[in-house]
Amino acid sequence: DTEVTQTPKHLVMGMTNKKSLKCEQHMGHRAMYWYKQKAKKPPELMFVYSYEKLSINESVPSRFSPECPNSSLLNLHLHALQPEDSALYLCASSHLGLAEVNEQFFGPGTRLTVL
Amino acid sequence: DAKTTQPTSMDCAEGRAANLPCNHSTISGNEYVYWYRQIHSQGPQYIIHGLKNNETNEMASLIITEDRKSSTLILPHATLRDTAVYYCIVSGGNEKLTFGTGTRLTIIP
Repeated sequence: DTEVTQTPKHLVMGMTNKKSLKCEQHMGHRAMYWYKQKAKKPPELMFVYSYEKLSINESVPSRFSPECPNSSLLNLHLHALQPEDSALYLCASSHLGLAEVNEQFFGPGTRLTVL
Repeated sequence: DAKTTQPTSMDCAEGRAANLPCNHSTISGNEYVYWYRQIHSQGPQYIIHGLKNNETNEMASLIITEDRKSSTLILPHATLRDTAVYYCIVSGGNEKLTFGTGTRLTIIP
């Protein structure tokens, strides 16, 4: 299984809602990532988890809260978002321990619209 | 991580080789060159990576100049399915991939 799955595919939420994005992989990867991609822009790294611990937070606002319950799952909890947070949210995973190989496997993304 | 410079867009005829250039003049000795692509409405896809030697896999070839300040990704026989944004990324393997603006490659029938 060489796939990263993300649910839901699309999400529409109001600014007062609480929702979660989910990402799953079964490749035995111990690094998992969240990226945000605005329209016609490149992906921007948000968070990195290594061995289920948060290793990189790219100064993301606290209304985005990541969680890594186990080595296969990665969640992104959303609360009190703003319309400008509307974007494609991408999850990725990769092996650790092979410093040269930053081959990340990406999921198809969740397209989020904040009203 | 070093920065990269790529042309904004390129066209290539179907069946011909697509050559995508990338400048990375500030690359340091332990940094690798990675290429990813993103087809419309999909997540990015890893293509190939290299340090200083030329590399080839089933998808593409990567040619890195001797001084490592630039590289070229070659898709040997481009098909319509190769239409995508191609990202050249330089990374020292610290788990961070910093995507630049990439090259929008359009394959023309």
